[in-house]
Amino acid sequence: DGGITQSPKYLFRKEGQNVTLSCEQNLNHDAMYWYRQDPGQGLRLIYYSQIVNDFQKGDIAEGYSVSREKKESFPLTVTSAQKNPTAFYLCASSTLGTLYQETQYFGPGTRLLVL
Amino acid sequence: KQEVTQIPAALSVPEGENLVLNCSFTDSAIYNLQWFRQDPGKGLTSLLLIQSSQREQTSGRLNASLDKSSGRSTLYIAASQPGDSATYLCAVSEGNTPLVFGKGTRLSVIA
Repeated sequence: DGGITQSPKYLFRKEGQNVTLSCEQNLNHDAMYWYRQDPGQGLRLIYYSQIVNDFQKGDIAEGYSVSREKKESFPLTVTSAQKNPTAFYLCASSTLGTLYQETQYFGPGTRLLVL
Repeated sequence: KQEVTQIPAALSVPEGENLVLNCSFTDSAIYNLQWFRQDPGKGLTSLLLIQSSQREQTSGRLNASLDKSSGRSTLYIAASQPGDSATYLCAVSEGNTPLVFGKGTRLSVIA
């Protein structure tokens, strides 16, 4: 089955702790994205990557870090500097055309809660 | 900076009713517009993608239209069913940059 997987489904973070959310895709997509979703806020872009070993900040990158060492994987680390991490995190991927990206495919999401 | 607005934020209709969801965007220089569906606690699923050169796309009971010059799109759902209850989001593509999303319309179809 082709698609995007995210793990874990639920994640609990203690004060001062860094946690890493996993995102893997087997769609051979070049681009991958991380979004944060809060109630009533819609989707907000954290980071995105269009090629291996390169990534760009989105609108709310502070307190987060990413890596893109493999085309299939784009893990997101929520650092202790992120003071309000409780949210639903969505990973997505897409192909990149000559002029524009094609539709994005989304993973099932990870809900992060603070203890 | 592109902004995408969806009205209404929430909508409740009786089963069987036809309904329209609205999406507007501020910059008409887009390559395509997409409609997504999100069920509670789940990821997004793509419903329809309209290229900038197209006026509408249809899939089953769903029809999406695009008026690029006026910065508007509508999603028409015919003969609504309780299973259509979800949040519907629209997003625009301005090229090989991340999609710009609206905040969504939360739809409830009452049996």
